[in-house]
Amino acid sequence: DIVMTQSPDSLAVSLGERATINCKSSQSVLYSSTNKNYLAWYQQKPGQPPKLLVYWASIRESGVPDRFSGGGSGTDFTLTISSLQAEDVAVYYCQQYYSRGITFGQGTRLEIK
Amino acid sequence: EVQLVESGGGLVKPGGSLRLSCAASGFSFSSYTMDWVRQAPGKGLEWVSSISSSSNFIHYADSVKGRFTISRDNAKNSLYLHMDSLRAEDTAVYYCARRQISAAGTRGMDVWGQGTTVTVSS
Repeated sequence: DIVMTQSPDSLAVSLGERATINCKSSQSVLYSSTNKNYLAWYQQKPGQPPKLLVYWASIRESGVPDRFSGGGSGTDFTLTISSLQAEDVAVYYCQQYYSRGITFGQGTRLEIK
Repeated sequence: EVQLVESGGGLVKPGGSLRLSCAASGFSFSSYTMDWVRQAPGKGLEWVSSISSSSNFIHYADSVKGRFTISRDNAKNSLYLHMDSLRAEDTAVYYCARRQISAAGTRGMDVWGQGTTVTVSS
């Protein structure tokens, strides 16, 4: 299985400041025939199911605020929140769907400083 | 409204069985690959199983292979997960999720249910 490792495990950022979460895969998730990275980011708030934020590493899902952006390729990826809002407090997960055995990162808990 | 509603969770003894259901509405269920994802208490997300739109392709996580069986009934807009030989470590909230696939490839799981809780304990 492809192992997904996120850093940091937790992060405290002031309101209005930038938050960056990293995700590293144990092998490339770049699908050569489509030139797309099969990497998604999800946000999960307490008591709620996960919500898809970004797919193909950098494409925002419809309705997701533009302060969320994804980047990276191959094995190294980032999720950036450009100006943290109170409603962004949540746990964030990266996910690879390159292999048949889908795997998630361990999650990064984002809090307000 | 696009919706997934899970049911069938509960308390079961180790070694027991349970069948989870996921009722889909508001979209063409038969066109989508579907997944089960679970979350143990206080832990992260773990993919469990997937099934293609016509049930041609089925995959399982190693942790459940040989014990869990995924199936679907497109006529009933329903997804199932039959769980046998349950263990304490199977205790989790089980979510069903829709896999969004376009002509350019898979885009992730874009619709999730609220989850159903399975507790395996004596």
